[in-house]
Amino acid sequence: QKEVEQNSGPLSVPEGAIASLNCTYSDRVSQSFFWYRQYSGKSPELIMSIYSNGDKEDGRFTAQLNKASQYVSLLIRDSQPSDSATYLCAVKPGSARQLTFGSGTQLTVLP
Amino acid sequence: KAGVTQTPRYLIKTRGQQVTLSCSPISGHRSVSWYQQTPGQGLQFLFEYFSETQRNKGNFPGRFSGRQFSNSRSEMNVSTLELGDSALYLCASRLGLGDANQPQHFGDGTRLSIL
Repeated sequence: QKEVEQNSGPLSVPEGAIASLNCTYSDRVSQSFFWYRQYSGKSPELIMSIYSNGDKEDGRFTAQLNKASQYVSLLIRDSQPSDSATYLCAVKPGSARQLTFGSGTQLTVLP
Repeated sequence: KAGVTQTPRYLIKTRGQQVTLSCSPISGHRSVSWYQQTPGQGLQFLFEYFSETQRNKGNFPGRFSGRQFSNSRSEMNVSTLELGDSALYLCASRLGLGDANQPQHFGDGTRLSIL
């Protein structure tokens, strides 16, 4: 089992819809969770971080964390074509200092 | 505030050569991590440096090495290059090691192609 798993996609949603990106992790004592956005040919860009159970909202983005289910998600409301990118879930396992990344979900927002 | 700066942006080498990549972290950041990104393997952790010392290491062969200078700038070296080393090499910086919740900020990467 991979430490951090994401559906690779591609995930396609129409413009204005809600895009839902999911991530599961294996280390139950993981502490920190991050979502990065990576445009094709560019480097990952941090868009959200979440550390405690529940929802965290930042503009059109909402991160949701459920430690009991070892599940973290990212919702993008009112999706725009400019949101089309690969979204990487990153988790800091409890025993490690470095982040472990999922393989990413490719999102396409159709105009 | 300037971001993480990596040089060069693109590099073409042949098998058996060696290469050195450079990374300047965000001002005030003292921890620098290196990652390799390929389409097949995704983002894989190479190593992390803090205060000129390697603090953490991923599962890469000894051909991959690095160092950090007193100004927190870091270099990564790959010797005896192989075709499979073709990848985007990303550097990320954060403030330090103490706070587990610190996010990492990435540079634009060096795209290395091995012929």
